[in-house]
Amino acid sequence: DGGITQSPKYLFRKEGQNVTLSCEQNLNHDAMYWYRQDPGQGLRLIYYSQIVNDFQKGDIAEGYSVSREKKESFPLTVTSAQKNPTAFYLCASRIYGTDSNQPQHFGDGTRLSIL
Amino acid sequence: KQEVTQIPAALSVPEGENLVLNCSFTDSAIYNLQWFRQDPGKGLTSLLLIQSSQREQTSGRLNASLDKSSGRSTLYIAASQPGDSATYLCAVGGTSYGKLTFGQGTILTVHP
Repeated sequence: DGGITQSPKYLFRKEGQNVTLSCEQNLNHDAMYWYRQDPGQGLRLIYYSQIVNDFQKGDIAEGYSVSREKKESFPLTVTSAQKNPTAFYLCASRIYGTDSNQPQHFGDGTRLSIL
Repeated sequence: KQEVTQIPAALSVPEGENLVLNCSFTDSAIYNLQWFRQDPGKGLTSLLLIQSSQREQTSGRLNASLDKSSGRSTLYIAASQPGDSATYLCAVGGTSYGKLTFGQGTILTVHP
């Protein structure tokens, strides 16, 4: 079945440590997105990528980094510069094409906590 | 800057009731509006997408409307069931690269 796989489901970070969240999709989608969700709030965009080897900052990119070396993979690194990393992280993808009216499909998320 | 607000923040209804969830946005220059469902600890499931040129979309017991000029959308759920209990999120698509601006969500509880 096609879908988006995020791993791990739970992740713990120590002080000063960088951690990487995995996002893989087999939907053959061009565009991929990373969102952060805090309790009682909507999702906020961290980074997005429309094609391989290209990505753009979203609204809250500080303290995060990404890469897009393959179409199906868009890993997110939470660096030690991100002082409040505890949140639920969601990855999404979408057919890019010329039709902007295509829905985004989401993975099941990774919950990151500080030790 | 686009801002999206959802009212009410939480709603509890008995099974079988018809209900309406509200979403408002500040900038009417949108590409589309999406409604999502989120179960606890899970990702989002797309329910309906309304293009900016459309007035409404329907899927089963769900009907979503869009009034761009007033900056409002509603999600109507007919004959609610306990399985409808979840958080419902509204998101506005403002650019061609698919960036979405989300509301905070409405937590719906349907009790038997």
